Order: sequence, then structure tokens, then C-alpha cells
Amino acid sequence: AQSVTQPDIHITVSEGASLELRCNYSYGATPYLFWYVQSPGQGLQLLLKYFSGDTLVQGIKGFEAEFKRSQSSFNLRKPSVHWSDAAEYFCAVGVSGGYNKLIFGAGTRLAVHP
Amino acid sequence: KAGVTQTPRYLIKTRGQQVTLSCSPISGHRSVSWYQQTPGQGLQFLFEYFSETQRNKGNFPGRFSGRQFSNSRSEMNVSTLELGDSALYLCASSPRDPRMDEQFFGPGTRLTVL
Repeated sequence: AQSVTQPDIHITVSEGASLELRCNYSYGATPYLFWYVQSPGQGLQLLLKYFSGDTLVQGIKGFEAEFKRSQSSFNLRKPSVHWSDAAEYFCAVGVSGGYNKLIFGAGTRLAVHP
Repeated sequence: KAGVTQTPRYLIKTRGQQVTLSCSPISGHRSVSWYQQTPGQGLQFLFEYFSETQRNKGNFPGRFSGRQFSNSRSEMNVSTLELGDSALYLCASSPRDPRMDEQFFGPGTRLTVL
């Protein structure tokens, strides 16, 4: 069965520091991969997605992610974190032929120290 | 273009009651998906509709049902509410008709069951 693992429940970084959030997936075929961000009391906002092609994808707000098939990973990165990046981040895999069914990881809550 | 709207934003019900939540997708979007978000289970897929047809369903009891209207607006209904149904219910819409597409989420309806 498909699954997504986000090993880090909480991460704290200083403002201006670099960030990497880990995501590992379990899926037999080429996956559709997504990163979403959720601020308190809000819905989910799409940061970036990978469907095929270039394995390094650029998203909004200065985020990027790299698809590594050999490691079944899709880690999210940002070179310099801003205080406004504090939120919860979700990695998700879309099931091919699954009619928009997303399987989400448990999320990583990011805190940013000034 | 207006985003996905969900009504009501907050709802309090008692056990045994039923509830109907509404979702209006982004104009022109024909696919609507529903997710349940709880602290214990995280984000879980409920069902997806396209052109008034349910194309996919998650692993939830029959008390959870939905429908989609000809204008793509969707409703979900939960009958015989249980305490465990307390959650944030998120609706998402997708613009195209492939089997997997990016989804745009609404702000959610916070349901509290007492």
C-alpha cells in the first residue's frame, strides 16, 4: 500500500538559516508528489509538485524539492528561512489512476526563531 | 478568481445528529475532493467527485456520504455523528480531468461533536 513518511514531527530553525524537510514515500510506480503548507486555522496551500521530468522542482515562496527515485525521497528545501515560514508542512503522494486521491504524511511543524 | 469556499466555517453538533457541509470549487473546476483532518489520524481522503459522479472513495463508514451538483458544488453529509467525527473537513478542487492533478484547498469546516 502507498504511504508517506515524514520522520520529523517538529523542527526549529533560526531565521535566515537553511531548511530541509524530509519525506519518504512507498509506491510501486512513478509517483505524483506534492508539498503543501498549512498555517494555523487555514487550509492547505500547494508549494510545489512533481509529476515527471526534471527531478529538481521549484515552487512558491523560494522552496524547492528534489525527487530521488533511488531513495524514495522528495525532500523540501529552502536556503534562507523567514519568520513567516513557520507553519505545518505536508508531503503527499498521488495515486496514479486514483482520481485525485492524495495520501499525506503526518506533517512537520516548523518553528522559526528570530 | 475566487478560491475554494466552504460553509459553514465552524459547526457544533451533538452525538447522533447529522450534518451537511458545503463546498464551492474554483470557477471552472469540475473535480471536488474531500478530506478529514484530525490530530490523531492526520489527513485522510474521504471521496472525490467529477461531473456529479463519485470516482473514488476512502476507507470511511457509510455514515459519510457526498454528492456533487451540476454546477460542480459539492456537499458531504455525516449521519449519526460520533465524538470521533470532530475534525477539520477540507474540500479541494482540481481544474482538469486527468486521473491526478494539483488540488486547491479551501479553508475547511471545523466540526465539533459534543
